[in-house]
Amino acid sequence: DTEVTQTPKHLVMGMTNKKSLKCEQHMGHRAMYWYKQKAKKPPELMFVYSYEKLSINESVPSRFSPECPNSSLLNLHLHALQPEDSALYLCASSQDRDRYTEAFFGQGTRLTVV
Amino acid sequence: TQLLEQSPQFLSIQEGENLTVYCNSSSVFSSLQWYRQEPGEGPVLLVTVVTGGEVKKLKRLTFQFGDARKDSSLHITAAQPGDTGLYLCAGAGTTDSWGKLQFGAGTQVVVTP
Repeated sequence: DTEVTQTPKHLVMGMTNKKSLKCEQHMGHRAMYWYKQKAKKPPELMFVYSYEKLSINESVPSRFSPECPNSSLLNLHLHALQPEDSALYLCASSQDRDRYTEAFFGQGTRLTVV
Repeated sequence: TQLLEQSPQFLSIQEGENLTVYCNSSSVFSSLQWYRQEPGEGPVLLVTVVTGGEVKKLKRLTFQFGDARKDSSLHITAAQPGDTGLYLCAGAGTTDSWGKLQFGAGTQVVVTP
């Protein structure tokens, strides 16, 4: 099973809303990632969790708040977003945050901020 | 500036033709992955290469990792419409980006019947 599950698949939110994106994997992976992808661009790394601890924050604005409740779950809490934050948000996991970092991606959440 | 340069950016071919996508860098990677992504979906891992000079085959797809582990190529033989998608290379394990995947800009491949 190499599945990473993301919910919801689509989300429309207003600039004053608070919402959360969820990600789950049951592969026993100890590293999990959030990426943001704009149309016709490659994924951009946002956050890396390793063994449930935040290890990399790529200078992401505080309106994005990640959380890793346990080794299988990863959340991304959203608050006071801007229209330019509209994008495909991808979750990924890998065995470990080591030098090989072979990552498996979920199908993404298409976020639209209105 | 992309750490990994992919070429070409766009490729449109007829069914049955062959194609090659290149991924180049001045950095040495511990591993390099190739993904295919369809619109609105997440990237799907095709292969991981870790050894310099390594060649891996996946049906009609052949992946090669350069001897110096700085570059890679993806060759598709007798392309089919189902091969259409965005092909992304991603490298890991450079000295200044441990634990991160560095993506190339992607190559959009369109195979017409």
